[in-house]
Amino acid sequence: SQTIHQWPATLVQPVGSPLSLECTVEGTSNPNLYWYRQAAGRGLQLLFYSVGIGQISSEVPQNLSASRPQDRQFILSSKKLLLSDSGFYLCAWSKGQEAFFGQGTRLTVV
Amino acid sequence: AQTVTQSQPEMSVQEAETVTLSCTYDTSESDYYLFWYKQPPSRQMILVIRQEAYKQQNATENRFSVNFQKAAKSFSLKISDSQLGDAAMYFCAKASGTYKYIFGTGTRLKVLA
Repeated sequence: SQTIHQWPATLVQPVGSPLSLECTVEGTSNPNLYWYRQAAGRGLQLLFYSVGIGQISSEVPQNLSASRPQDRQFILSSKKLLLSDSGFYLCAWSKGQEAFFGQGTRLTVV
Repeated sequence: AQTVTQSQPEMSVQEAETVTLSCTYDTSESDYYLFWYKQPPSRQMILVIRQEAYKQQNATENRFSVNFQKAAKSFSLKISDSQLGDAAMYFCAKASGTYKYIFGTGTRLKVLA
């Protein structure tokens, strides 16, 4: 069966520090991969999606970037975090008819 | 830009009663999928129900059913015999051949004992 792992679960980082959130999928190949951000009390905002290795589409201009170095690995990064980057980040994978989500990472920038 | 709109930020329902959550969307595509996801306090996203746009028959999953009106671009979720465990945030979402899943802002459902 397919599983998705996302870590860390929680993270507190100072303003100006770098960020790396990792997501891996097991049990499937060539999935579509997604990073979403959920601000407090808000919906899910699509940040990035990828349909293959090295193929990244950005949905909103921001301080974040994404990379897909391997087929089932998706990384969300920042060189310098801002206070506004705080939120709940969700990784997801899909092969068309349904998106499956990781457990999420709660990021607090202080 | 494609949008998914949930106009009810919060809804309440008495236990064992029925509640309907609303969702409308904007699209120029003819083939797409619609979803309702549930997010309990654990924040794990759980698929509740899925509808293929090419199917005229409304999807049902036990106590959950949808009213899909393609021409009106409306996709509401009906929860029958509401249970305390149904309390959560509910998100409507749309996906298409562009691989993007677009979510609404969510409706918080409270179930009153």
